[in-house]
Amino acid sequence: DIQMTQSPASLSASLEEIVTITCQASQDIGNWLAWYQQKPGKSPQLLIYDATSLADGVPSRFSGSRSGTQYSLKISRLQVADIGSYYCQQAHSNPYTFGAGTKLELK
Amino acid sequence: EVQILETGGGLVKPGGSLRLSCATSGFNFNDYFMNWVRQAPGKGLEWVVQIRNKNYNYATYFAESLEGRVTISRDDSKSSVYLQVSSLRAEDTAIYYCTREDYYYSSFDYWGQGVMVTVSS
Repeated sequence: DIQMTQSPASLSASLEEIVTITCQASQDIGNWLAWYQQKPGKSPQLLIYDATSLADGVPSRFSGSRSGTQYSLKISRLQVADIGSYYCQQAHSNPYTFGAGTKLELK
Repeated sequence: EVQILETGGGLVKPGGSLRLSCATSGFNFNDYFMNWVRQAPGKGLEWVVQIRNKNYNYATYFAESLEGRVTISRDDSKSSVYLQVSSLRAEDTAIYYCTREDYYYSSFDYWGQGVMVTVSS
């Protein structure tokens, strides 16, 4: 199975700050990587697919990047609406696997 | 508008079984793979199972932790997918989400609101 190592597990940041979350895949998954945001008490929502493509309706302050088997989600200017948990997911092959998640809080 | 609605959750005794239903609308259900993802209280997301569409002979794939205890099926005429879990354990306690899998990128582009399953005596 492909392992997704996500870091950090938790993150405290200030409004307007740049935030970066990373996921390391245990093997080559190409661009088969998605990012999700989950707000407290809500279902997860797709943010990024194909490693770098923004899902419909997602603000442009979110971006995804890839360097080899390391993937990053960047929030360029943190807003209150961005508070929640973030998960990466490899979509390369079954069994699909998620990172352990990053809980993002306001400082 | 894409809609996904799960039903069938509740309290189940250890060793029991449960059938979850997922009704969808707003898209051509026949074209898509469907998945279930679960989330234990206070924990992260765990992929559970996938069922492919008719073009792929309704092939199914399971998380190893649940293989043998999970059955997934779909009824294309009702745009619905069903998940049956047997021999339930306390660690199966979770919110179970039904998700649509994007046709090209295999990401989960739509999620239901989730249904809670509690396994307890």
